[in-house]
Amino acid sequence: EAGVTQFPSHSVIEKGQTVTLRCDPISGHDNLYWYRRVMGKEIKFLLHFVKESKQDESGMPNNRFLAERTGGTYSTLKVQPAELEDSGVYFCASSLAGTRNYEQYFGPGTRLTVT
Amino acid sequence: ILNVEQSPQSLHVQEGDSTNFTCSFPSSNFYALHWYRWETAKSPEALFVMTLNGDEKKKGRISATLNTKEGYSYLYIKGSQPEDSATYLCSHGSNYKLTFGKGTLLTVNP
Repeated sequence: EAGVTQFPSHSVIEKGQTVTLRCDPISGHDNLYWYRRVMGKEIKFLLHFVKESKQDESGMPNNRFLAERTGGTYSTLKVQPAELEDSGVYFCASSLAGTRNYEQYFGPGTRLTVT
Repeated sequence: ILNVEQSPQSLHVQEGDSTNFTCSFPSSNFYALHWYRWETAKSPEALFVMTLNGDEKKKGRISATLNTKEGYSYLYIKGSQPEDSATYLCSHGSNYKLTFGKGTLLTVNP
């Protein structure tokens, strides 16, 4: 069974540019999450989808970040325009429906560098 | 405690040593405690999900305990090997959202 995949693995962009990150969850996982780790800090929650619906987007830093999950399969996270402080590793995770206490399976992350 | 705190931040041990780390978390509104093992550029790998006070779980040479009343969990590694070198992340799960500590970076020297 394929795990959570993320694309690209690395992205280097200039301040002011736009970047779109993609996440493909494990097939059949209704729950999809985005997290971010800024260097030296802890991994922080950004938002949670159940199928195509946003359940909790309380961790989204500001309106420069837009997450979508059309059709309830893969998800994209767009940063527009990117700022220096957006640099970090963006993780995607997925879990089965109705499994609040169960494992979240993580992808390898996208390392974003804004220069 | 409002956040998840892990100690130590980093640890160097010799191959064959046994070691342990601590995770402290808010004891109120507890749902689950997760331990992950993470090597840079790879996916964080789930080690344990623990939900009950007094839980003890084991996977090979790695084990973990949970005390939900006082809000802490210990992760133990017996007979550390160089391949155990990684960052060990603890997270407190509450209504799907995971709150992570900064992790403990373990380096096992051959």
